[in-house]
Amino acid sequence: DSGVTQTPKHLITATGQRVTLRCSPRSGDLSVYWYQQSLDQGLQFLIQYYNGEERAKGNILERFSAQQFPDLHSELNLSSLELGDSALYFCASSPRLLAGANVLTFGAGSRLTVL
Amino acid sequence: DAKTTQPPSMDCAEGRAANLPCNHSTISGNEYVYWYRQIHSQGPQYIIHGLKNNETNEMASLIITEDRKSSTLILPHATLRDTAVYYCIVSGAGNNRKLIWGLGTSLAVNP
Repeated sequence: DSGVTQTPKHLITATGQRVTLRCSPRSGDLSVYWYQQSLDQGLQFLIQYYNGEERAKGNILERFSAQQFPDLHSELNLSSLELGDSALYFCASSPRLLAGANVLTFGAGSRLTVL
Repeated sequence: DAKTTQPPSMDCAEGRAANLPCNHSTISGNEYVYWYRQIHSQGPQYIIHGLKNNETNEMASLIITEDRKSSTLILPHATLRDTAVYYCIVSGAGNNRKLIWGLGTSLAVNP
């Protein structure tokens, strides 16, 4: 158990629907990251939050949005789902931003299947 | 953040050392080298990181060349459980927001 909790583990839904993925960071970590991994692909960075504020965006679609709440958990909202959104979605967390190295701890992922 | 180049796949015999290379020729002076691994669709697992000096922890050793343009991850006594995809990533200090994850090296440890 890495300490980063993601729910649900598996999700099957239909095209056009909307889903919410949830992430609880490791205790004490202030930063949360979301990544998408499609079949046999590397991880694609989506978005980063630090202590409730958005810090950086990757190639996140406009249909996707995220937020980090005061208790530091984060949610990734995926709407108007398409078949191509089927993927593993990983959340990672890290401690407060430092001048030195910044190590990420990943959750087990949420597997989304869009039919 | 600098990009990295890794061989797509490697084999290693169980009990032998696994040496995984990574090229990062455009690395900047303040960028760290990180290694993670991913075992069959599980969440990536941090292994080790370094800036200039060689590093060692309970999992592996990291050898960084003097010009910092390449590095090698060493698993000293590979086991079957080390079969995974290994990712070499370069990123600036305190800034992981745009880690560029390539396809990594798929390491197969054979009995």
